[in-house]
Amino acid sequence: KAGVTQTPRYLIKTRGQQVTLSCSPISGHRSVSWYQQTPGQGLQFLFEYFSETQRNKGNFPGRFSGRQFSNSRSEMNVSTLELGDSALYLCASSLRLAGGAEQYFGPGTRLTVT
Amino acid sequence: QKEVEQDPGPLSVPEGAIVSLNCTYSNSAFQYFMWYRQYSRKGPELLMYTYSSGNKEDGRFTAQVDKSSKYISLFIRDSQPSDSATYLCAMSENQAGTALIFGKGTTLSVSS
Repeated sequence: KAGVTQTPRYLIKTRGQQVTLSCSPISGHRSVSWYQQTPGQGLQFLFEYFSETQRNKGNFPGRFSGRQFSNSRSEMNVSTLELGDSALYLCASSLRLAGGAEQYFGPGTRLTVT
Repeated sequence: QKEVEQDPGPLSVPEGAIVSLNCTYSNSAFQYFMWYRQYSRKGPELLMYTYSSGNKEDGRFTAQVDKSSKYISLFIRDSQPSDSATYLCAMSENQAGTALIFGKGTTLSVSS
């Protein structure tokens, strides 16, 4: 069974630009969660989508948004990029809503903002 | 005070050593406790999952939870160079319905 895939794996953007990251969950998984990982703050929850609806949201500004498609694939968008948005963005999929320990993580997208 | 505190290390040990990794937390509502291992350029993978207080063993790994002290530990016996990674603790109040709260991770290096 294929794992969670994320594209692209690496991305360099300029401050002020916007970026879209993609996540394909494990087949059959309906929940996709997004996390931001930085050395200073560690791994922080952004939001979770289940059945195309955002179900949970972390404490991030509105510049961070996402969506989920009918095939459970998810995209995350960050607008007006800031230097502090440089991070590893991870998505995790699970069979059910807020799968907790039943989440499986992808390899992440490394975003660098210059 | 952050909800979950974890010493970032780095922690360097020789092959065969017993490793102890720890997290403390402040939210007494946490009931589910997890340890993830993250290799460089990879996403976290679940190692151990425990509910409430007590011990759980899986091969060379033992997870301990002491809810009265708000303290969790992961022990690695007979450590191997392949155990070199960052170890993240994570916690949640419910099995489902709330997001995981992670520690910042401890970087472990096992030398042969």
